[in-house]
Amino acid sequence: NAGVMQNPRHLVRRRGQEARLRCSPMKGHSHVYWYRQLPEEGLKFMVYLQKENIIDESGMPKERFSAEFPKEGPSILRIQQVVRGDSAAYFCASSPYKGSPLHFGNGTRLTVT
Amino acid sequence: KNEVEQSPQNLTAQEGEFITINCSYSVGISALHWLQQHPGGGIVSLFMLSSGKKKHGRLIATINIQEKHSSLHITASHPRDSAVYICAVRVETSYDKVIFGPGTSLSVIP
Repeated sequence: NAGVMQNPRHLVRRRGQEARLRCSPMKGHSHVYWYRQLPEEGLKFMVYLQKENIIDESGMPKERFSAEFPKEGPSILRIQQVVRGDSAAYFCASSPYKGSPLHFGNGTRLTVT
Repeated sequence: KNEVEQSPQNLTAQEGEFITINCSYSVGISALHWLQQHPGGGIVSLFMLSSGKKKHGRLIATINIQEKHSSLHITASHPRDSAVYICAVRVETSYDKVIFGPGTSLSVIP
């Protein structure tokens, strides 16, 4: 049973481009969480999704960021028109049901040049 | 004031020493996680606990719900324990929100 898979591991984008980060949760997990870790800072909650639904997006910046978790396929975190301040490590975690232990992916390290 | 605080922020220990990392929080929680992150690496969940004490190998985690405090202990520390240890709390809301502490950077010297 593979763990939480995130890809790509490293992503380089120029300012103004779009970044798409993917997260495949563990098999049987329908809850997905995205977190961001800015350089020299701690992890911050971004969004919590269940299949086809956004449950809590209170940590998402109001513009340029969006997330989805379709019925089929991975969860996608999309950042439009990236800026240097978006450079960070983005982690995904999944769990089978509310309150169960979280399983983390290895993260995607986004660098905006 | 942050909702989740950790101490110390940085810790250097000699191999073999007993290590304690503390976490205090100010919100109502349903559970608390201790996580480990190696430099440039992914995040590994060490423990999830909501009461009492858990042990796994050389690691022990305790929580006192009334005092809103948890500790992570490492016995017989080893250089491979060098990492950032993060306390994270699951907030008592319907949305299962997680708030992370700032992390404790541990360096174990041979």
